[in-house]
Amino acid sequence: KQEVTQIPAALSVPEGENLVLNCSFTDSAIYNLQWFRQDPGKGLTSLLLIQSSQREQTSGRLNASLDKSSGRSTLYIAASQPGDSATYLCAAKAAGNKLTFGGGTRVLVKP
Amino acid sequence: DAGVTQSPTHLIKTRGQQVTLRCSPKSGHDTVSWYQQALGQGPQFIFQYYEEEERQRGNFPDRFSGHQFPNYSSELNVNALLLGDSALYLCASSSMSPSSYNEQFFGPGTRLTVL
Repeated sequence: KQEVTQIPAALSVPEGENLVLNCSFTDSAIYNLQWFRQDPGKGLTSLLLIQSSQREQTSGRLNASLDKSSGRSTLYIAASQPGDSATYLCAAKAAGNKLTFGGGTRVLVKP
Repeated sequence: DAGVTQSPTHLIKTRGQQVTLRCSPKSGHDTVSWYQQALGQGPQFIFQYYEEEERQRGNFPDRFSGHQFPNYSSELNVNALLLGDSALYLCASSSMSPSSYNEQFFGPGTRLTVL
């Protein structure tokens, strides 16, 4: 059974600092790993999707890496801004399209 | 493209009642998945519908059932509501086409409160 863990559960940084968010998963037989952003009480916004054959994906200030052998993915957000404050969730996709989510990391970027 | 839409936005029910939540997938998508997200936790997979059939199911009791219509929209039904069913219910749509990488797009969710 796939288990996904995100540590820390919460993170507070001053504006301008780089953010590093960690995600670990127990079963390396994944098809892809997806990072999402969730604002309070809202749905999920897809940020990046990394295929199992890829090592990283980049979009603007965001960069996500994937190491299947160690069961880890990391989301980097460069030069953080107050607007980056949200909860970030990672999810591993196994066969059949089911996503297994971590508990999320709640990020606060202080002006 | 309206993206994934869900209705209603909020619902308040009492224990023992039944509820129906609705989801319209993103244009071009043929697969709908439902997730339950309790406060402060990550979403949990309920089930997935493709070609009007339930294809995969998570660890949820039979009180949770669903349906997919020919236009790919979907309903989630929950019978005999319990206090513990209070959560944000998220719908995600995707395409079974290999070129899509099955990337899932989520709707805004329906907040269900059971009193």
